[in-house]
This record gives sequence, structure tokens and C-alpha cells, in this order.
Amino acid sequence: SQELEQSPQSLIVQEGKNLTINCTSSKTLYGLYWYKQKYGEGLIFLMMLQKGGEEKSHEKITAKLDEKKQQSSLHITASQPSHAGIYLCGADWFRERDDKIIFGKGTRLHILP
Amino acid sequence: DTGVSQDPRHKITKRGQNVTFRCDPISEHNRLYWYRQTLGQGPEFLTYFQNEAQLEKSRLLSDRFSAERPKGSFSTLEIQRTEQGDSAMYLCASSLRVLGGGSYTFGSGTRLTVV
Repeated sequence: SQELEQSPQSLIVQEGKNLTINCTSSKTLYGLYWYKQKYGEGLIFLMMLQKGGEEKSHEKITAKLDEKKQQSSLHITASQPSHAGIYLCGADWFRERDDKIIFGKGTRLHILP
Repeated sequence: DTGVSQDPRHKITKRGQNVTFRCDPISEHNRLYWYRQTLGQGPEFLTYFQNEAQLEKSRLLSDRFSAERPKGSFSTLEIQRTEQGDSAMYLCASSLRVLGGGSYTFGSGTRLTVV
């Protein structure tokens, strides 16, 4: 969807390096979700952000939502092979009669040993 | 197992045949969603139910597609007269949506190949 843009489309990093994935919404978000997907499988929920300036961490993954609630970043510290996969951001704009998550196209992350 | 189950995991069908997929959501979740994902793309919304009521259908869902959720429990997605363009991963998710918000739990998906 053009309402939600993810960058980069793909990323190749050396194991142990840090990386950042970005997600930009054309409208103010009610909530922003980050999911991870292994190739050919379903989506695994990582984090949900709702408040401007909010930051959450899970193991070596940190996600932030900007104060305007239109941009989010996902940062991985000291990447490991287990981090490889597709990272998807999902937007919830909470329109009462149109209440669903719209996903970006994803960022494909490859970790080189 | 209290996750979302989808059946079958893989389906190969000939063009023109009908196919039906099943999704069993987490029992206490009131919402059930269907998405379609093609190679290199993010999941695209198809339709969703709140309990047994189908509240929205995407314009992507042509007349050949129909979804049901009888009694607000499991859901089925049927595709009639399949076309090669229907080849995709079909993902089901469920959630407990109260006043907006709430993450979705996804199943492992059904991969459809139309030959």
C-alpha cells in the first residue's frame, strides 16, 4: 500500500553488525505493529507501538515510534543468523468501520556468517 | 495448541477447479481476518469477520471468492474457477479487538499453486 512504505526492501548484513529498518505512514497512526516472517511461513508478532515517542525492546530488537506517530524504526543490535527473515510493519489507522491492519511490503534481511 | 490453525498447508490445483481453505482461530478471539500474500509482497487484506458477521471485503476479493464463519468459530475461504493469478499464500489471523488495537495471531498459511 502506498499509505505505508518500508525501507530498505532488502538488507544483507554481516553477522554481529547492527541494522535499522524504517516504516513511514502517510497518516497519523493509531498503532504500529512489527512482525517477522520466516520464508514460506506465517507472521510472528514482535511488538506494537501506540504512543508517540514510545520505544519497546525484545531481546536484541528495539522498535520506536516517532512523536508525530507517522514513522517507526526497528533496530537490531549485534545481528545473528536467527534474525534472518522478512520484517513487516503493519499500520492501524483505527477507522471505526474500517478496522484492520495494513502491511508494508516488507524488508528481507539476510545475515552473512 | 492454542494457536491459529490453517488447513491444508499446501494445495496444488488445476485451473478452473474450486478450492476451499479452513482456518481455526484462537477460541476466545472475536475477529478473524484473511490475507493474501504473493512472492515479494506484504500480506494484502481480503476480508474480516467479527464473530459470524463479515464486516468488510476488499475490492481484491472478486465474485469467485467467498468466505464464511458459521457460528463465529472456524472460517472457510472458497475460490471458485481458480486462475493462475490466484496462486499465493493465504494467511488467516485472529484477534481480540476491543475499542481498536490488539495484535493479530497468524496461522502458518495455505500455499495455493494453480497449474
